[in-house]
Amino acid sequence: NAGVTQTPKFQVLKTGQSMTLQCAQDMNHEYMSWYRQDPGMGLRLIHYSVGAGITDQGEVPNGYNVSRSTTEDFPLRLLSAAPSQTSVYFCASKVQGAHGYTFGSGTRLTVV
Amino acid sequence: RKEVEQDPGPFNVPEGATVAFNCTYSNSASQSFFWYRQDCRKEPKLLMSVYSSGNEDGRFTAQLNRASQYISLLIRDSKLSDSATYLCVVNRGTALIFGKGTTLSVSS
Repeated sequence: NAGVTQTPKFQVLKTGQSMTLQCAQDMNHEYMSWYRQDPGMGLRLIHYSVGAGITDQGEVPNGYNVSRSTTEDFPLRLLSAAPSQTSVYFCASKVQGAHGYTFGSGTRLTVV
Repeated sequence: RKEVEQDPGPFNVPEGATVAFNCTYSNSASQSFFWYRQDCRKEPKLLMSVYSSGNEDGRFTAQLNRASQYISLLIRDSKLSDSATYLCVVNRGTALIFGKGTTLSVSS
């Protein structure tokens, strides 16, 4: 069991570039979420999914797209990176009915 | 107003001290409640769930008051290893909503 795996761990992008942050879990969890964490702001929900084919927006969805074609994977796409998207991104998952989410170790993204 | 609000901190306490963190939430439809711990530059990890009846896990005691929409965490006999940021978290059914966190620093 690898848990929740996020790749890459670090990334530097130029303004306007696009990229995909990968998140995969091998625990057959239905629920998956993406958060960003900025100093003084706490973790804010970007997008979430309650199962394959089902996604919804969180608190700060603008500039990000997601899809959930399989139970295991929940990639986060930055369409046109902006400096305001410099942040630490966490992916999390849990099985329906469980209490706690399991988090990945995060992706530290810098947009210059 | 943010949906989950916590004490701003930081809390700086000596080893052996008792420290209490408070949290309020604004959405009365919130379903379940947690405290997470986050070490510097690491991912959040579940510390404990919070129930109206109160629950204890060793030196940690959590309490929920649904009527006043208030959550608390008490840490007794603080250890150096308790130094971290403590996140108050509310589950709205489909995803977690986090408070900004309160930083605890325990010194010898």
